[in-house]
Amino acid sequence: GQNIDQPTEMTATEGAIVQINCTYQTSGFNGLFWYQQHAGEAPTFLSYNVLDGLEEKGRFSSFLSRSKGYSYLLLKELQMKDSASYLCAVRDEDYKLSFGAGTTVTVRA
Amino acid sequence: IAGITQAPTSQILAAGRRMTLRCTQDMRHNAMYWYRQDLGLGLRLIHYSNTAGTTGKGEVPDGYSVSRANTDDFPLTLASAVPSQTSVYFCASSASGSGANVLTFGAGSRLTVL
Repeated sequence: GQNIDQPTEMTATEGAIVQINCTYQTSGFNGLFWYQQHAGEAPTFLSYNVLDGLEEKGRFSSFLSRSKGYSYLLLKELQMKDSASYLCAVRDEDYKLSFGAGTTVTVRA
Repeated sequence: IAGITQAPTSQILAAGRRMTLRCTQDMRHNAMYWYRQDLGLGLRLIHYSNTAGTTGKGEVPDGYSVSRANTDDFPLTLASAVPSQTSVYFCASSASGSGANVLTFGAGSRLTVL
């Protein structure tokens, strides 16, 4: 099984940077995903890491360290529309995806 | 528009009743999944199917059943609903279980069991 931990809530100011950490303990590992979920909507894919290092995609970057069981999602130049929940998810050796409880990010003007 | 369609969007159900949540995708994805989402617990996998004709149990399968008669449809049935099954249910699909294939989610079905 998977044990995935991420902070419950974070608040930041428009234009700032926020880093959402995710730690995991896994019986097998086949990739780490980040999803964004706006209130009342379905989750949508943000990023995927399977090897150690940083993956950059526009204002969003995701980092993975497999030896430490650690990932973070970095949101730069925050905009009001970035207010959402961010879900860390780990895929196991059977290719099933397990999700953390999510981090609610609130962007203030 | 390609994607996943879930029905109903919302339903209030008396305890003990049978309920089927429908999920249809038109992307020809092989793998399909049912998750429930509860406040503070995140998304939990109920059942999954890697390909038509096969199904598997996820983290919280008790009280639920699924079938996968064809590629497109993956209904979730609650044989006798209980209040603890009050939740938002998301159906999802992916081209396959491996690689960078990501999950595409339906809009969700909000179920209240009284």
